Amino acid sequence: GIQVEQSPPDLILQEGANSTLRCNFSDSVNNLQWFHQNPWGQLINLFYIPSGTKQNGRLSATTVATERYSLLYISSSQTTDSGVYFCAVWAGSGNTPLVFGKGTRLSVIA
Amino acid sequence: KAGVTQTPRYLIKTRGQQVTLSCSPISGHRSVSWYQQTPGQGLQFLFEYFSETQRNKGNFPGRFSGRQFSNSRSEMNVSTLELGDSALYLCASSLTGQAYEQYFGPGTRLTVT
Repeated sequence: GIQVEQSPPDLILQEGANSTLRCNFSDSVNNLQWFHQNPWGQLINLFYIPSGTKQNGRLSATTVATERYSLLYISSSQTTDSGVYFCAVWAGSGNTPLVFGKGTRLSVIA
Repeated sequence: KAGVTQTPRYLIKTRGQQVTLSCSPISGHRSVSWYQQTPGQGLQFLFEYFSETQRNKGNFPGRFSGRQFSNSRSEMNVSTLELGDSALYLCASSLTGQAYEQYFGPGTRLTVT
């Protein structure tokens, strides 16, 4: 099946710093999503981005489907950005499930 | 609109017991998917139900089962619990069953001792 790799696995930032998280996937995908999991376990959908670039406030994401990678940018990080960021891909059609990467654990310190 | 709710939020069970977890989807959503999250294996798909029918199943042993009711609420059951079943169990609902439309619940954290 499709493989999803995220890097780096862990990241510690000073508040106000910028960061880039990467997601590589092994095969063509129909969809790619970025999620943020807060310290209480809640998964929040950040972006649905099968290709192109999207921005939402301090967060933006770019997917280059032909090269099988996606990037999540976090600018001016805040302590509330801490948590785990997951990339998930959907390779099939119909009711095929999401395949998640292992995540990047981000800690933003004041 | 209320989000996806899961009950209970925390659970401690003993090896060999069985457990039932519940998930109530967003109103109007007919698809419910279940995921297991562990530190070692990450987030893995368990199964998906749509209109009371299991449409897809991940690579888990038969001890893991589920069902969906006519009101779209779903339950998953794990029998003969093992220590390795300790995990965060997440459910997600979607309107049409497309994976990219899923909204996740807060999860049930199961600890097996």
